[in-house]
Amino acid sequence: GDSVTQMEGPVTLSEEAFLTINCTYTATGYPSLFWYVQYPGEGLQLLLKATKADDKGSNKGFEATYRKETTSFHLEKGSVQVSDSAVYFCALYYLTARQLTFGSGTQLTVLP
Amino acid sequence: DTAVSQTPKYLVTQMGNDKSIKCEQNLGHDTMYWYKQDSKKFLKIMFSYNNKELIINETVPNRFSPKSPDKAHLNLHINSLELGDSAVYFCASSQDGRGNNEQFFGPGTRLTVL
Repeated sequence: GDSVTQMEGPVTLSEEAFLTINCTYTATGYPSLFWYVQYPGEGLQLLLKATKADDKGSNKGFEATYRKETTSFHLEKGSVQVSDSAVYFCALYYLTARQLTFGSGTQLTVLP
Repeated sequence: DTAVSQTPKYLVTQMGNDKSIKCEQNLGHDTMYWYKQDSKKFLKIMFSYNNKELIINETVPNRFSPKSPDKAHLNLHINSLELGDSAVYFCASSQDGRGNNEQFFGPGTRLTVL
């Protein structure tokens, strides 16, 4: 079945460091791909998405490119801030499943 | 204005009790969901309703029963609570059931079963 594998955390970075959180997926066909973020004590929020191969999603300085050849959707940010500390979830949606399948989440802590 | 709201935020109860969690969305969305997040942050869908009709019912014990009185509300009733039910439960909604649409999540209900 469809699945999402995320880089295990926790990840701890200093402010202004470069961030990469790896995400790969297994699915038949061409799913839509998402990154959601969960700040402490809150529900998830959509961070960015891409719906077809080579699409790049971007928001708040974060980017991810839908790579069909490597079945990946890695999240990147050039310079993280303390306020980026959160749990990040990669997810996919495939039409026949009719539901989002989430990765296990990656805890990011950014230190001042 | 809160888009997706849940009550209560915290729920502490004894094993064997019956409890309900309420969810309301004011976004005019057609589809609503319940998710369970365990202590390791793993998130799993439980149910999905579209216009008050059940469309996803994952392998959840039948002690869990969702109820949708109208498309703005999706409540979760849990009978005979067990220790393993302790988790954070999130309600979410989306414009429709198509996956390209953003899901909006509530703040969560932390359920602790003693």
